[in-house]
Amino acid sequence: GQQVMQIPQYQHVQEGEDFTTYCNSSTTLSNIQWYKQRPGGHPVFLIQLVKSGEVKKQKRLTFQFGEAKKNSSLHITATQTTDVGTYFCAGPDSSYKLIFGSGTRLLVRP
Amino acid sequence: DGGITQSPKYLFRKEGQNVTLSCEQNLNHDAMYWYRQDPGQGLRLIYYSQIVNDFQKGDIAEGYSVSREKKESFPLTVTSAQKNPTAFYLCASKPGGPANYGYTFGSGTRLTVV
Repeated sequence: GQQVMQIPQYQHVQEGEDFTTYCNSSTTLSNIQWYKQRPGGHPVFLIQLVKSGEVKKQKRLTFQFGEAKKNSSLHITATQTTDVGTYFCAGPDSSYKLIFGSGTRLLVRP
Repeated sequence: DGGITQSPKYLFRKEGQNVTLSCEQNLNHDAMYWYRQDPGQGLRLIYYSQIVNDFQKGDIAEGYSVSREKKESFPLTVTSAQKNPTAFYLCASKPGGPANYGYTFGSGTRLTVV
């Protein structure tokens, strides 16, 4: 079946350093979504990318969708302690239900 | 404010007991979903419903059951057949149809077997 993989599993950075997580799908995606889950919390929708090669920014966060629509990345510039959490990518299968990646857990040293 | 309410926040189950987790939304969303999250892991789909009175099994439906009698409600029962039920359970919803929408999640229920 369709799989969505994320790397790295964990990333520990010094506050102010940049962070990137990568997402790869086994199939072409109609769109890709990104979620953030704070420790002890629930996933919160961040953004959706639809077009091939699309790039979207939210303040210090930059999201990219690959040209082949099978991969995506999330880049955070100058991390802050408020960025701590697990970042998930997710893509829809043929029944339009989301398949979530395993997530990248970001830890930030103050 | 519109949103999804899950209750209880914490639940303890004895061996051999069935328990029901509540999920209620006032977002007028057609589609609702139940996910299970184990520590340090991703989200695995248990059941989903795209319309009232209809639901489908997800990837790990064994030992669980659901109902969708009302648009607003999608309760999940964890039966005694579920051998390892200790986990964090998340309910989510979105508007229906194939259009692309982000999921709205509830705050979750942490279930522990004692």
